[in-house]
Amino acid sequence: QLQMLESGPSLLKPSETLSLICTVSGGSISDDEFYWAWIRQSPGKGLEWLGNIFHSGTFYSNPSLKSRVTLSVDTSKSQFSLNINSVTAADTAVYFCARWTEDSDNDMTYYFDVWGRGSLVTVSS
Amino acid sequence: QSVLTQPPSVSGAPGLRVTLSCTGTRSNIGAGYDVFWYRHLPGTAPTLLTSGDVIRPSGVPDRFSVSTSGTSVSLAITGLQPEDEADYYCQSYDRGLNGPIFGGGTRLTVL
Repeated sequence: QLQMLESGPSLLKPSETLSLICTVSGGSISDDEFYWAWIRQSPGKGLEWLGNIFHSGTFYSNPSLKSRVTLSVDTSKSQFSLNINSVTAADTAVYFCARWTEDSDNDMTYYFDVWGRGSLVTVSS
Repeated sequence: QSVLTQPPSVSGAPGLRVTLSCTGTRSNIGAGYDVFWYRHLPGTAPTLLTSGDVIRPSGVPDRFSVSTSGTSVSLAITGLQPEDEADYYCQSYDRGLNGPIFGGGTRLTVL
């Protein structure tokens, strides 16, 4: 059964770069059927999609974060990563990685079928 | 502010029926994109619950059902059980964003 685990620093100072890694086990990160995603939940708020990446390295991100977000993938380690630069207190959140599925028979069906348990990142001076 | 609108909280007594709503716009639910529901207990991984007819992972009881009306989707839970207490999020796709969107979540309390 596919499992996903987030890892990375839990405390950052403003203006630093947030770097998180998601390790995928029990399945192949190179599977052509899936993208790999990052989602966050700020305190007291709902979920916010950050970006998706394919095993080839192609990625797309939420325009609300403008150019601060970068995603990368290392298929040899079965890992993909999230970088957010110039963080502020507003980036304090629990960060989840997840597997993104697009139904190839139906271009109206997009969902996350497996999630990690999340990693809390706090931005504070 | 979340793109999909959910009530912050819903409660119900064991054995009864509750409905959780998720309202979008013509850019997402109204455009025909499927809506998916997730169950989340803080500190754990969110789990895919159902989207009604499209997706129902094995192990999800048929006490959970989904209905759609225009730009709104509802998750109904019948025979409410204490273990149903959790946060429930709806998710769809938005053609303006060209990406997935979520609701703000509903905390279900079993009285």
